[in-house]
Amino acid sequence: NAGVMQNPRHLVRRRGQEARLRCSPMKGHSHVYWYRQLPEEGLKFMVYLQKENIIDESGMPKERFSAEFPKEGPSILRIQQVVRGDSAAYFCASSSQGGGAEAFFGQGTRLTVV
Amino acid sequence: AQSVTQLGSHVSVSEGALVLLRCNYSSSVPPYLFWYVQYPNQGLQLLLKYTTGATLVKGINGFEAEFKKSETSFHLTKPSAHMSDAAEYFCAVTQVGNEKLTFGTGTRLTIIP
Repeated sequence: NAGVMQNPRHLVRRRGQEARLRCSPMKGHSHVYWYRQLPEEGLKFMVYLQKENIIDESGMPKERFSAEFPKEGPSILRIQQVVRGDSAAYFCASSSQGGGAEAFFGQGTRLTVV
Repeated sequence: AQSVTQLGSHVSVSEGALVLLRCNYSSSVPPYLFWYVQYPNQGLQLLLKYTTGATLVKGINGFEAEFKKSETSFHLTKPSAHMSDAAEYFCAVTQVGNEKLTFGTGTRLTIIP
């Protein structure tokens, strides 16, 4: 059973470009979470999704950031018009159920904006 | 509301010595508590978790943590440090019905040969 798969592992974008980060949850998991880790900081919650629904996006910046988890395919975190401050590691986690159930993390996508 | 405070952003211990990483939490309802480990350029791996029941929780790699409600603490310990324990450790909290984990800022553990 493969773990949570994130790709790409490393992504370099110029300021103003778009970044698309993909996350395939563990088999059988329908709950997906995105977290951002800025340098020298802990992880900060961004968004929680179930299939085709955004459940909690209280941690998402109001502009330029969006997330989806379609019926088929991976979850996508999309950052439009990236800025230097978006440089961070973005982690996806999945769980089989919510309510504090164990979440399994992917290896992350390290975004560098130049 | 929930929050986590990890005391000591950097901790160094000698190989074979006791490892103690501190975590205090704040939660308005009974918490679920977690310790994760992150190796360089890797994702987070769950070490152990407390939800309900026994307050002393044993995890992988010889780590354990004790939930102390009166002290709002969930400190992580290991009796004898190994070189392979060098990593960053994160304490996290959530609550029943709250889907998101709130993480501490992490403690970087260095093992001295």
